[in-house]
Amino acid sequence: QKEVEQDPGPLSVPEGAIVSLNCTYSNSAFQYFMWYRQYSRKGPELLMYTYSSGNKEDGRFTAQVDKSSKYISLFIRDSQPSDSATYLCAMIDTDKLIFGTGTRLQVFP
Amino acid sequence: NAGVTQTPKFQVLKTGQSMTLQCAQDMNHNSMYWYRQDPGMGLRLIYYSASEGTTDKGEVPNGYNVSRLNKREFSLRLESAAPSQTSVYFCASSEGSTSLNTDTQYFGPGTRLTVL
Repeated sequence: QKEVEQDPGPLSVPEGAIVSLNCTYSNSAFQYFMWYRQYSRKGPELLMYTYSSGNKEDGRFTAQVDKSSKYISLFIRDSQPSDSATYLCAMIDTDKLIFGTGTRLQVFP
Repeated sequence: NAGVTQTPKFQVLKTGQSMTLQCAQDMNHNSMYWYRQDPGMGLRLIYYSASEGTTDKGEVPNGYNVSRLNKREFSLRLESAAPSQTSVYFCASSEGSTSLNTDTQYFGPGTRLTVL
């Protein structure tokens, strides 16, 4: 079993939809949680960074962490075609950063 | 600032050939990393360097060597390439220099390597 599980998609939604992207994990030692966005043929870029449980909002993006369920989510409101990318969750355990495999999102006009 | 730069962007090798992937960052970061990204496997850490002069193995170091040439540059060498090393390679850097490095990692654009 992988430490971090993420549905690969693709997830295809119409413009303006609310998108929910999720990851589950098995290691209860994870304390720091991140979401990276990766456009096609580009490197990942950090989108959201949260510590421990709770919600964090940044514009149209909301990151949610539920440590009791070992589940994290990224919500995108009013999705745009420019949001089409692969979204990677990532978590830190002591000295290593573990990535999910990524979910490919397509937002069509 | 250019951020993290990588060369080359693309490379095709034959089995057994060697090559070095170059990475440089201009953000004065202490830590640098090499990852490989494969379909269905996500990003996996090959080697990292928490500070100039130090390097450590990551999750998948076999078949690779690294050199932290100075604070800016971190190279990855394949001594005898194998088809299993066909992948997209990303270099990243972050500000911190401790083993518990929770700082944001900034990624380069990647090198697409094919080994025939």
